[in-house]
Amino acid sequence: QTGLTQPPSVSKDLRQTATLACTGSSDNVGVHGAAWLQHLRGLPPKLLSYRNNSRPSGVSQRYTASRSGNRAYLTITGLRPEDEGDYYCQTWDTTVRAHVFGGGTRLTVL
Amino acid sequence: VQLVQSESELRQPGASVKVSCQTFGYVFSSFAIHWVRQAPGHGLEWMGRLNTYNGSPTYAPGFTGRFVFSLDNSGITTYLEISTLRPDDTAVYYCVREGAFGNSNISADMDVWGQGTTVSVFS
Repeated sequence: QTGLTQPPSVSKDLRQTATLACTGSSDNVGVHGAAWLQHLRGLPPKLLSYRNNSRPSGVSQRYTASRSGNRAYLTITGLRPEDEGDYYCQTWDTTVRAHVFGGGTRLTVL
Repeated sequence: VQLVQSESELRQPGASVKVSCQTFGYVFSSFAIHWVRQAPGHGLEWMGRLNTYNGSPTYAPGFTGRFVFSLDNSGITTYLEISTLRPDDTAVYYCVREGAFGNSNISADMDVWGQGTTVSVFS
């Protein structure tokens, strides 16, 4: 399966802003956008943002998704210790006809 | 809306395993169920999807042959069965609800995740 590319790790200070990036292609992110998942230790993944950048009910406004061309972004403001975990981008790939995921970014809040 | 999966399983190579995913809080047959795998130290991998209205499965490349999605007559449970298990099948398996109503769009967002079932395969 064609994957999406994410930096393996990002570290930011408490109360700062982190922007996580996800790079795809015109076959996936460029046409379908990207959803974002939060995967905290010991819990199942949680949808933070749909591919159209809207938030599911109950998701904090501190999480904002956006897209520019074949790249998608998740911005997390006012970082808290509980934000530490893995963040995945995900979308549909038109060519392989499959859902594809990024390799995940581990966010560390210092 | 909640998806509740069966408990962890331990198997020897060559055996089979059946993981269940029970759904609550919505009309089961109105939303497809996807399966996603996470092997140790790896990211998430889409395995495919089951149309919960007609029972029709779609398997991702790499998940054909030994992997079977099914549903039962209770109307709220889907299953993932893996046969001829290998050590590299060791992973956490998640069921995930498709966010589009009516089993209508395999490419739609996946919105609600089960808690995951760990399958460990070793001799």
